[in-house]
Amino acid sequence: RKEVEQDPGPFNVPEGATVAFNCTYSNSASQSFFWYRQDCRKEPKLLMSVYSSGNEDGRFTAQLNRASQYISLLIRDSKLSDSATYLCVVTPNQAGTALIFGKGTTLSVSS
Amino acid sequence: DVKVTQSSRYLVKRTGEKVFLECVQDMDHENMFWYRQDPGLGLRLIYFSYDVKMKEKGDIPEGYSVSREKKERFSLILESASTNQTSMYLCAVEPGASGTYEQYFGPGTRLTVT
Repeated sequence: RKEVEQDPGPFNVPEGATVAFNCTYSNSASQSFFWYRQDCRKEPKLLMSVYSSGNEDGRFTAQLNRASQYISLLIRDSKLSDSATYLCVVTPNQAGTALIFGKGTTLSVSS
Repeated sequence: DVKVTQSSRYLVKRTGEKVFLECVQDMDHENMFWYRQDPGLGLRLIYFSYDVKMKEKGDIPEGYSVSREKKERFSLILESASTNQTSMYLCAVEPGASGTYEQYFGPGTRLTVT
């Protein structure tokens, strides 16, 4: 079983749509969770951390279900500028330990 | 903000050449990482370092070595470049403040080995 699995997409949505990405992870010892955003031919950038209680940052909402080992990212009112690849990332929460990346989900928002 | 710079954005080298990729951070962070990213394979860890002169192998260290002589600088070395090392190389820094473990990436070096 792969450590972090994501639906690769692509997700093609119109502006203003709500879109949700899901991610599952295999290591129950994972403690920290993140969503990164990566634009074409650029480096990944931290979008948001994911907390057990769920968290929201503007149009973006992240949720964590530890029992099901499942993470989600919801984007409301999609903008053209949201077009990118979204990477689900987990870590066992030890300093100096590599992040474990999913392969990413590609989102394309059209006008 | 964490600032991470990499020596080159694009690099073209010939098979058999020794290649140096440099990564520099602007703070005193201890943990630094080298990844490569390939289509369909995602990001894979090559090496990481948790202090000066300290290094640990990642998932795919074969054909690579690293050097960390100063805290702010972490170099990736391809001893004898091969075509299968054509890839995007990304350096990351982990500030590790207050028990958070997110990493911040440099802009990447797109290496082509011909």
